[in-house]
Amino acid sequence: DIQMTQSPSTLSASIGDTVTITCRASQRISSWLAWYQQKPGKAPKLLISKASSLKSGVPSRFSGRGSGTDFTLTISNLQPDDFATYYCQQYNTYSWTFGQGTKVEIK
Amino acid sequence: QVQLVESGGGLVKPGGSLRLSCAASGFSFSDYYMSWIRQAPGKGLEWVSYISSSSSSIDYVDSVKGRFTISRDNAKNSLYLQMNSLRAEDTAVYYCARSLEWLTLPADLWGQGTLVTVSS
Repeated sequence: DIQMTQSPSTLSASIGDTVTITCRASQRISSWLAWYQQKPGKAPKLLISKASSLKSGVPSRFSGRGSGTDFTLTISNLQPDDFATYYCQQYNTYSWTFGQGTKVEIK
Repeated sequence: QVQLVESGGGLVKPGGSLRLSCAASGFSFSDYYMSWIRQAPGKGLEWVSYISSSSSSIDYVDSVKGRFTISRDNAKNSLYLQMNSLRAEDTAVYYCARSLEWLTLPADLWGQGTLVTVSS
């Protein structure tokens, strides 16, 4: 199985900051990578697919980059609604795998 | 309203069985691949199983192979997960999720989840 490794595990930031989360795949996955946002007690919500394609309705302050094995999610001008846990996920194989998550918390 | 609604979770003893259901509405269920994804308390997400739109293709994570069975009824817009020989490590919130294609599209809609607790 492809292993997905996110860093950092926790990130402390302030309103208005720009933050970047990194996701690394154990083998090349082209651009078949998604990013999800999850808030406590809620289901994950899809933010980005194919590494950089923003889902309709997702604010443009979210952006994704990368291909192959290294990917990033950047949130610019952090807003109160953005404090949550973020997961990357590869869908290049029949067995999907997720990163362990990055919690973005208020500094 | 486009939504997925899971049901069937609860408390079960180790070795017991449970059947989860996922009711789809507001979209053409039969067009979509469906999957089950779980999240143990305080932990990350783990894909459990998927089923193709016609049920012709199915797969499971190794840890549930031989114990869990995924199925669907397109006439009833419903997805199921039969879970047998349950273990403590199966305790989790189970989400159903849809994907229009496998290998090229991720899950774009998730249900709210149903909690399965395996404990004596």
